[in-house]
Amino acid sequence: ILNVEQSPQSLHVQEGDSTNFTCSFPSSNFYALHWYRWETAKSPEALFVMTLNGDEKKKGRISATLNTKEGYSYLYIKGSQPEDSATYLCAFSWNSGNTPLVFGKGTRLSVIA
Amino acid sequence: KAGVTQTPRYLIKTRGQQVTLSCSPISGHRSVSWYQQTPGQGLQFLFEYFSETQRNKGNFPGRFSGRQFSNSRSEMNVSTLELGDSALYLCASSVVATQETQYFGPGTRLLVL
Repeated sequence: ILNVEQSPQSLHVQEGDSTNFTCSFPSSNFYALHWYRWETAKSPEALFVMTLNGDEKKKGRISATLNTKEGYSYLYIKGSQPEDSATYLCAFSWNSGNTPLVFGKGTRLSVIA
Repeated sequence: KAGVTQTPRYLIKTRGQQVTLSCSPISGHRSVSWYQQTPGQGLQFLFEYFSETQRNKGNFPGRFSGRQFSNSRSEMNVSTLELGDSALYLCASSVVATQETQYFGPGTRLLVL
């Protein structure tokens, strides 16, 4: 059974703090790792897609890294703002035909002003 | 470009009834996937349609079914509703493959009484 684990489950930080969370996934048959941000009452929104070991992606204050050999990805938020409050989901796809994404349960981030 | 739309947004049904949910993908997207989200669970994959054919299926009972029309719009149907079917149902579209970035709709929240 394919398992994608995210930690921590939830996180409370003060405005201005930097934070990071982890996504662990199977290291075999890797195809891509996706990060999504899901704000309350909105649709999940794609942040990054990473495919190569060592990939680093950045979007404003948010960045992500990928290690496919050991099966993990980190998402970093620098100088958290209240508008960063959301659930961050990672999703793994493996290299076996057209297979669906497997999502982790997410990390719920609350940024306190 | 218009995003993914889902109707209805909210639905209340009673046990034993059936329900049909609708999803219109982004124009030009031919792959439509359906997910179920319940409290404490990640997004659970239901099925994926491409060119009017079910291409992938998750681990859900046969009460859950779907279809896709020639314009790529998709419907999912749940027959003989159970209390445990209460969930947020999300639809997502991508250009061709499920391994690509998924673009999500706002979801349909179903409550079964």
